[in-house]
Amino acid sequence: QVQVVESGGGVVQSGKSLRLSCEASGFSITDHAMHWVRQGPGKGLEWVAFLSHDGSNKYFSNSVEGRFALSRDTSKNVVFLHVNSLRTEDTADYYCARGESRSLPYSTFYGADVWGQGTAVAVSS
Amino acid sequence: EIVLTQSPDTLSLSPGDTATLSCRASQGIRSRLAWYQQKPGQTPRLLIYHASERAAGIPARFSGGGSGTAFTLTITSLEPEDFAVYFCQQRTDWHYSFGQGTKLEIK
Repeated sequence: QVQVVESGGGVVQSGKSLRLSCEASGFSITDHAMHWVRQGPGKGLEWVAFLSHDGSNKYFSNSVEGRFALSRDTSKNVVFLHVNSLRTEDTADYYCARGESRSLPYSTFYGADVWGQGTAVAVSS
Repeated sequence: EIVLTQSPDTLSLSPGDTATLSCRASQGIRSRLAWYQQKPGQTPRLLIYHASERAAGIPARFSGGGSGTAFTLTITSLEPEDFAVYFCQQRTDWHYSFGQGTKLEIK
């Protein structure tokens, strides 16, 4: 079964850090790009970060650039989002989502077709 | 940074009606647009990719169109399960953004 499962969220004070995990099953993270998307309470979706299938390209939204980082463990098929210097406005559900397959042309935008249930991050002041 | 603006914010219709949702990009994005549906308490579901291609398992009543800066999602013969929030998303040079969402509610 193709799925992703997030974990690692919690309640933290402003300025602290967390490591969010995204465990993929039914496919390999070396075959697909991976995204992190967040949704604040009662708000819309906000794209946060992108990791290419080969791990060489990492991109972040302006709102988290310099504070968040990406890594992965291919042996465990897990992607990590390191959320550092947390602010109250980072409070959200964080979703991991599967992006394009490496076998598909870049010229076509395939979106994110597999989403996890999310992990909640709450930042207190 | 490309900004996506969806309209209307809320659309009130009845089952059986046709819904037309709009998504406008602040700059041209060719056809690099996707649409998602999100129901309360659920995660987003990919409906349309590359502006007009239906994702796997999506009913034919969902269709997407447009290119450049103007895009539409059309849902014909609305079913009760179609009432949800819809988001568009674009990709430009490995950066992505979402629109603010349109809530489709039962009239």
